[in-house]
Amino acid sequence: KNEVEQSPQNLTAQEGEFITINCSYSVGISALHWLQQHPGGGIVSLFMLSSGKKKHGRLIATINIQEKHSSLHITASHPRDSAVYICAAPKGNQFYFGTGTSLTVIP
Amino acid sequence: EPEVTQTPSHQVTQMGQEVILRCVPISNHLYFYWYRQILGQKVEFLVSFYNNEISEKSEIFDDQFSVERPDGSNFTLKIRSTKLEDSAMYFCASTEYYEQYFGPGTRLTVT
Repeated sequence: KNEVEQSPQNLTAQEGEFITINCSYSVGISALHWLQQHPGGGIVSLFMLSSGKKKHGRLIATINIQEKHSSLHITASHPRDSAVYICAAPKGNQFYFGTGTSLTVIP
Repeated sequence: EPEVTQTPSHQVTQMGQEVILRCVPISNHLYFYWYRQILGQKVEFLVSFYNNEISEKSEIFDDQFSVERPDGSNFTLKIRSTKLEDSAMYFCASTEYYEQYFGPGTRLTVT
């Protein structure tokens, strides 16, 4: 049983396209995290959100606590956005990770 | 900007050997975590650490694993007797409240 489900698993987009990655979770949480894992393996935290919407540059994250669903949007996608995007749901001090969405943006 | 550091970046060890992976969290952070990622698989939580003791641990974190904060800066993960299936990338992270700051990872290869 996966506590955190992501879709799609793989995504290829043309540069400039609007991208949406979805995350559904079953564990009770205080906040949901979106992470970016670079091709070299390093992980960077993009967002931590507990309600509503957050925006950082071309990235927008939304969350619906009642539906236990979050989305990560990338506007005007660029090849440098190519990475694996991971959502993670904390329960207490334990984290449950999605399997990640591998995004490739083609010039 | 402060960052989490990890050493070594790559560790090769023989099955049955003990390994210690080291992490230096961001100095004012209160919570520390270890995660692992087997090649091609998702990131998995191992353990969280707060106030010099384990806060939570996953089923993966069995008696072969231990964590320690031997001084005010380092945070270590010890694997007592490594197995082939321990081969993975191990990430340390620290947080002050909720946002996680990840180290670059240590790639552990058990032969």
